[in-house]
Amino acid sequence: TQLLEQSPQFLSIQEGENLTVYCNSSSVFSSLQWYRQEPGEGPVLLVTVVTGGEVKKLKRLTFQFGDARKDSSLHITAAQPGDTGLYLCAGAPNTDKLIFGTGTRLQVFP
Amino acid sequence: NAGVTQTPKFQVLKTGQSMTLQCAQDMNHEYMSWYRQDPGMGLRLIHYSVGAGITDQGEVPNGYNVSRSTTEDFPLRLLSAAPSQTSVYFCASSPVVQRVQYFGAGTRLSVL
Repeated sequence: TQLLEQSPQFLSIQEGENLTVYCNSSSVFSSLQWYRQEPGEGPVLLVTVVTGGEVKKLKRLTFQFGDARKDSSLHITAAQPGDTGLYLCAGAPNTDKLIFGTGTRLQVFP
Repeated sequence: NAGVTQTPKFQVLKTGQSMTLQCAQDMNHEYMSWYRQDPGMGLRLIHYSVGAGITDQGEVPNGYNVSRSTTEDFPLRLLSAAPSQTSVYFCASSPVVQRVQYFGAGTRLSVL
C-alpha cells in the first residue's frame, strides 16, 4: 500500500501551459516536502510545507498544504522546458520514516 | 563540499553474488537512509538510521542488510543478489527525518 499517491503519473504539455500535480494520503503528516529529480541525479528539495492551509510560492511554482495536512498540491504557471523532470512529494507519517510518493513525470515541450 | 558520496556508481552482479554499496556523508547528519528507485517510479525506503548504532527497516527491507558503526558511514549489503534487486539505489542524509534530505548521485545496479 502506497501511503502517498501522486497524480497524474505522467504529464506532457507545451511551453506556456499551466499544470497542477497532486499528492494525496489517508494519513496526517506534520510536514510534506516536494523534490524534483532530473535524469541521472538524486532528488533535490524544492520546498517544505508545515502548516495546514499553508501556501508557498517559489517563482512560478505554488505549493499548498491541505487544511487537514493529508494532501498537497504543486501548481506550475507558464511551464518552461527547464521544468521537465520527476516531481516527488515526501512525508514522515511517524517520526522516523520519510516516505516518498509515486512521482509525477513532467515533460514540457518548446 | 563532498556532501553525500556513493560508491560505486555502476555495478553488474550475477545472481547469488554479494556486494556492499557504500555511502558516506561529511555533514555530521544523524539521519541516513537508503532508497531504491525502479524505472519511472518514485523512491521506496529500504532501511534507515537515526544515529550511530541504530538502524530500522523501511518499506522494502528484504534481501538487504545495513549497519551504522559511525555517524559518517551507512553501507548497504546485498547478501545474495537477485534480478529483482536490479535498480538505482540512493543514499540520503539529513539532520533529522523532517528536514531536507541530501541525496547522493546514486548507484546503478544490474543483477543478471
